[in-house]
Amino acid sequence: EVQLVQSGAEVKKPGESLTISCEGFGYTFTTYWIGWVRQRPGKGLEWMGIIYPGDSETRYSPSFQGQVTLSVDESFTTAYLHWSSLQASDSAMYYCARRGVNIFGPIEGFDAWGQGTLVTVSS
Amino acid sequence: SYELTQPPSVSLSPGQTANIFCSGDALPRQSAYWYQQKPGQAPVLVIYKGTERPPWIPERFSASTSGTTGTLTISGVQAEDEADYYCQSVDSSGSYWVFGGGTKVTVL
Repeated sequence: EVQLVQSGAEVKKPGESLTISCEGFGYTFTTYWIGWVRQRPGKGLEWMGIIYPGDSETRYSPSFQGQVTLSVDESFTTAYLHWSSLQASDSAMYYCARRGVNIFGPIEGFDAWGQGTLVTVSS
Repeated sequence: SYELTQPPSVSLSPGQTANIFCSGDALPRQSAYWYQQKPGQAPVLVIYKGTERPPWIPERFSASTSGTTGTLTISGVQAEDEADYYCQSVDSSGSYWVFGGGTKVTVL
């Protein structure tokens, strides 16, 4: 069974750094892209970016370029989302998700999701 | 930046057919994907590559695209289908993914 297991909820102060994680189980981690999605309270889904664990190729949404950093540790089958300096506006639920694959190759959608990590930034 | 537009809400009675629309300029060239999200849960993929249904999704869910509008159809809606539904696609370059604003489906 494919599973993405994310790290637990975080409470941080503005200006602090933070890294949250997403560990993949039940599939070959290095051969599927991992994406990150933000959902602010009561709001919709926002695509942040995507990373390929096999070679760390990364694409960022223009809205998040320079604001966050995606990385992977393939030996630990884990993807990471990092902020160097949090702002109150970063308070949200963050999901990791696996880019699906069909017989023709990768699809432009997510076929498995983590349970989400709630990040609260408050002074 | 590229945008996908969805109506904010749809209300209907059990057994009726729900049509949820998603408008985007690149949809004639890029596939639409649809997700269901229930309160307090992560999203679930219900349609991929415009019309394909994952094996874990009931047959009452289907989708199509005509021109710049994608449509998710729930035939014979049930109380358990009450959720937020999001369309998702990519821009014309294929590099950047985007979600629609979501449609809240209420089953009265």
